[in-house]
Amino acid sequence: KAGVTQTPRYLIKTRGQQVTLSCSPISGHRSVSWYQQTPGQGLQFLFEYFSETQRNKGNFPGRFSGRQFSNSRSEMNVSTLELGDSALYLCASSLTTSPGENIQYFGAGTRLSVL
Amino acid sequence: AQKVTQAQTEISVVEKEDVTLDCVYETRDTTYYLFWYKQPPSGELVFLIRRNSFDEQNEISGRYSWNFQKSTSSFNFTITASQVVDSAVYFCALSEAGAGANSKLTFGKGITLSVRP
Repeated sequence: KAGVTQTPRYLIKTRGQQVTLSCSPISGHRSVSWYQQTPGQGLQFLFEYFSETQRNKGNFPGRFSGRQFSNSRSEMNVSTLELGDSALYLCASSLTTSPGENIQYFGAGTRLSVL
Repeated sequence: AQKVTQAQTEISVVEKEDVTLDCVYETRDTTYYLFWYKQPPSGELVFLIRRNSFDEQNEISGRYSWNFQKSTSSFNFTITASQVVDSAVYFCALSEAGAGANSKLTFGKGITLSVRP
């Protein structure tokens, strides 16, 4: 069974640009969550999608957005990139949104560098 | 608000030594879940174990064992007879499970474990 797939693995962008990251969940999983990992702040929750609806959002500015498609694949977008957006962006998928029923399985991440 | 504290930042041991990774959590919920994940250099977070707040039974799985104590809000992880392949960053995480809860994980800062040959 294939795991969570994130593309691309590496990205280099310049300040002010925008970027789109993609996540394909494990087959059958309907919930996708995104996390940002930086050396200073650690792992922080960005948002969660289930059945194409955003269910929960972390404390990030509106420049960070996402969406989920009918096949459960998800994309996240960051507009007007800042140097501080350089991070490893991790996607996790789970069967449902209920913490009692699911375990989140993570992809290998997309490493974004903003120059 | 939820909080997970991993006071140890880096641990270095020699192969075959036992090592314990500490985790202390804070939550106002009476129902919650605790997790341990491992992050090797490849970057992917690998799920190791989940425990719910009603299950304080400690578990042993091969060389791994977990000690959950609600009285001290701790969920510690022990690797017995460590191996070089155990070298990774280990994260403890917490999620709510009460009414209106969702899948959001709150992570600790992680512990970098280095196992030397």
